[in-house]
Amino acid sequence: QQQVKQSPQSLIVQKGGISIINCAYENTAFDYFPWYQQFPGKGPALLIAIRPDVSEKKEGRFTISFNKSAKQFSLHIMDSQPGDSATYFCAAAFSGGYNKLIFGAGTRLAVHP
Amino acid sequence: GAVVSQHPSRVICKSGTSVKIECRSLDFQATTMFWYRQFPKQSLMLMATSNEGSKATYEQGVEKDKFLINHASLTLSTLTVTSAHPEDSSFYICSAPSPGTSGGRGTDTQYFGPGTRLTVL
Repeated sequence: QQQVKQSPQSLIVQKGGISIINCAYENTAFDYFPWYQQFPGKGPALLIAIRPDVSEKKEGRFTISFNKSAKQFSLHIMDSQPGDSATYFCAAAFSGGYNKLIFGAGTRLAVHP
Repeated sequence: GAVVSQHPSRVICKSGTSVKIECRSLDFQATTMFWYRQFPKQSLMLMATSNEGSKATYEQGVEKDKFLINHASLTLSTLTVTSAHPEDSSFYICSAPSPGTSGGRGTDTQYFGPGTRLTVL
């Protein structure tokens, strides 16, 4: 019930293409869904986050789509660039959980020029 | 966004020694901080929740006597790996929620430190 399942494990996209990473959860108490980007040897950096009262949030080239009934959410990276090559983690938390994040397994994205 | 720092960024120690890692929130106060461990090509594993002014809360399977956590002030939490062994070699990352960023909806935005690479020889 506490798990967040993330797929794919790895992803290769050509420059200019769309990268799509998917996550699914079971606990309907989750009400906060952030995405983090991590470069090798660095800490994760918050990319974008969504709450279940909206179905989509866009910030620049990054969009989160949220399907509450299916308990799924996804990250879309438009016009993917080689500089986007990193590991992406989805996560979930709920208001009564004292900000504790439950992370997905991560997706290693490689954007080829 | 808010800034969280860690020190040191890298540390190499001999087996059996203790290592202290500091986590600081630079521009906000954090009553709670989190400590994670990350092995190569794996996700972040939450080790414990550090609480200012009280004992840390450890996740199942994490030895509290081995990983000592002290939340000395509203901007500093420390993780001490005692009697370190090669299997403790990992990337340790802290995080802190920045208060007031949830818009009153309960879950604050969480910011991560840059991590500390621990190598135990």
